[in-house]
Amino acid sequence: DGGITQSPKYLFRKEGQNVTLSCEQNLNHDAMYWYRQDPGQGLRLIYYSQIVNDFQKGDIAEGYSVSREKKESFPLTVTSAQKNPTAFYLCASSTRQLYGYTFGSGTRLTVV
Amino acid sequence: GENVEQHPSTLSVQEGDSAVIKCTYSDSASNYFPWYKQELGKGPQLIIDIRSNVGEKKDQRIAVTLNKTAKHFSLHITETQPEDSAVYFCAASSQAGTALIFGKGTTLSVSS
Repeated sequence: DGGITQSPKYLFRKEGQNVTLSCEQNLNHDAMYWYRQDPGQGLRLIYYSQIVNDFQKGDIAEGYSVSREKKESFPLTVTSAQKNPTAFYLCASSTRQLYGYTFGSGTRLTVV
Repeated sequence: GENVEQHPSTLSVQEGDSAVIKCTYSDSASNYFPWYKQELGKGPQLIIDIRSNVGEKKDQRIAVTLNKTAKHFSLHITETQPEDSAVYFCAASSQAGTALIFGKGTTLSVSS
């Protein structure tokens, strides 16, 4: 079955450490996205990529980095520059027209 | 850029009643408006969507209406059931048509 897989489901990080969240899709979608979800804040766009080797900043990109070396993969690195990284992170993919926007099951990151 | 406002933030109904969630958007160029349902600890799932050339779309107990002139769209759930309890998000395509911008969500509680 086609889908989008995020790993790990739970992640703990010490302050000052970088951490990478994985996102893989086998839907043959061109576009991929990262959102951050905080209680009462909805989903806020971090980064998105419409094609391989190209990506753009969303509304809250500071303290995050991404790469898009393969169509199927869009990993997100939360750097030590992100002041408040504890959140639920969601990856999504879609056609370029935004149809079929499909989410993964999320990664909950906690800074300890 | 695009901004999406969603109301109410919480909604409680009795089983069998109807529920209505409303969203407004700012960019008249937006042309795609999906609705997502998110259950606890999971990623959002698409439940219905509408494109700008259509005023209404229905799928069993769920319907979405779009008023492009007023720049608002609504989700209608009829004959609500306890399993409809979840967080619902509306979204609109971004100004560049490259990502979805989400509202802050509505927590729907259906009591039996």
